[in-house]
Amino acid sequence: DTAVSQTPKYLVTQMGNDKSIKCEQNLGHDTMYWYKQDSKKFLKIMFSYNNKELIINETVPNRFSPKSPDKAHLNLHINSLELGDSAVYFCASSLPSGSTGNTIYFGEGSWLTVV
Amino acid sequence: TQLLEQSPQFLSIQEGENLTVYCNSSSVFSSLQWYRQEPGEGPVLLVTVVTGGEVKKLKRLTFQFGDARKDSSLHITAAQPGDTGLYLCAGASGGSYIPTFGRGTSLIVHP
Repeated sequence: DTAVSQTPKYLVTQMGNDKSIKCEQNLGHDTMYWYKQDSKKFLKIMFSYNNKELIINETVPNRFSPKSPDKAHLNLHINSLELGDSAVYFCASSLPSGSTGNTIYFGEGSWLTVV
Repeated sequence: TQLLEQSPQFLSIQEGENLTVYCNSSSVFSSLQWYRQEPGEGPVLLVTVVTGGEVKKLKRLTFQFGDARKDSSLHITAAQPGDTGLYLCAGASGGSYIPTFGRGTSLIVHP
């Protein structure tokens, strides 16, 4: 069973479109994240949710809107896509952020290409 | 935001060679982790260190946390092609237990 699964794995879309990436974890974790990995492999946190509540919102354009219908799901919706949004987006989960040395479990990534 | 510097950025070696990857910061970390990311996959945790001076071994991989908890190293003995991947260090500090990632070291081990 895949612990953190995200769909779609590959997404090619035109500038200006709106797209969503879905994420589900079956680990029973309370905390979920979205990370963005750019072409230089830099992995940067975008959002963190703890039990459906937003706890971290790094400097991300408000075109990006996460939604957590329940603690096992954290979806990412992106409006008005721009070329610079092309990247790999990773969903992840962990135990509550109050635990030292949390293991972060990553999904396989969603490769977004904006043309 | 803590800044984690990893070096070298790229490493291309032959099978059987030894290598060391470094992760440095000016910040003190409550914990530091190493992840490996293979092509087309998400990062996977290798180890977590929490005590200054701590050394952990995972088969041919040796991880060390600096005494001041500001730096760490990963040493691989007799590298194999299966070690190929992106090695990321991640540190957490202060009131946040959510780690910040370094930019990674991309390792290629040639047969």
